[in-house]
Amino acid sequence: EVQLVESGGGLVQPGRSLKLSCAASGFTFSDYYMAWVRQAPTKGLEWVASISYDGGSTYYRDSVKGRFTISRDNAKSSLYLQMDSLRSEDTATYYCTTVANWYFDFWGPGTMVTVSS
Amino acid sequence: DVVMTQTPVSLPVSLGGQASISCRSSQSLVHSNGNTYLHWYLQKPGQSPQLLIYRVSNRFSGVPDRFSGSGSGTDFTLKISRVEPEDLGDYYCLQSTHFPLTFGSGTKLEIK
Repeated sequence: EVQLVESGGGLVQPGRSLKLSCAASGFTFSDYYMAWVRQAPTKGLEWVASISYDGGSTYYRDSVKGRFTISRDNAKSSLYLQMDSLRSEDTATYYCTTVANWYFDFWGPGTMVTVSS
Repeated sequence: DVVMTQTPVSLPVSLGGQASISCRSSQSLVHSNGNTYLHWYLQKPGQSPQLLIYRVSNRFSGVPDRFSGSGSGTDFTLKISRVEPEDLGDYYCLQSTHFPLTFGSGTKLEIK
């Protein structure tokens, strides 16, 4: 059974950093592209970033480019999102997802990030 | 960015009835490889989104055949027949043909 468990969320001040982690199990992690999708409180879904099987290719939405870094450690079956220069508009639940043929198939329960002074 | 317009915003339905959700894109979702990358998700209250339909009309593993997807180009539809209580929640379409990937704004399916 595919399991994705995010961690690392919390309350952080604007301009500060936070690193999210996603522990994966139940599948061969290195066989999948992975992604982060977020959802602001009471709002819809927003794709944040994706990463290729070996981490050699990464993709970001414009609003996080240069501030967020997606990475992975296939030996640890883990996905990461380093978030720097955080803004209030980054406040959201962040979901870790597997990426099948260009769609997000499995999702974790999410971790909440609140950016506020 | 490709804008995904979902209608209606709210959809009251009777249990056992049928529901239809529309998703229109601001540009064609046909990729240069010939595939159309339009997918549907359901987010039940308090839960993560779950994949229902991928690439327009393919049901994901374990999804009942009450769910069906159709459409082409810029115009897509999700149909739910014989609505059950477990179908209630927010439905989203997603396009992954163009970067950035974009979701529709959601349709809330609720009991009439």
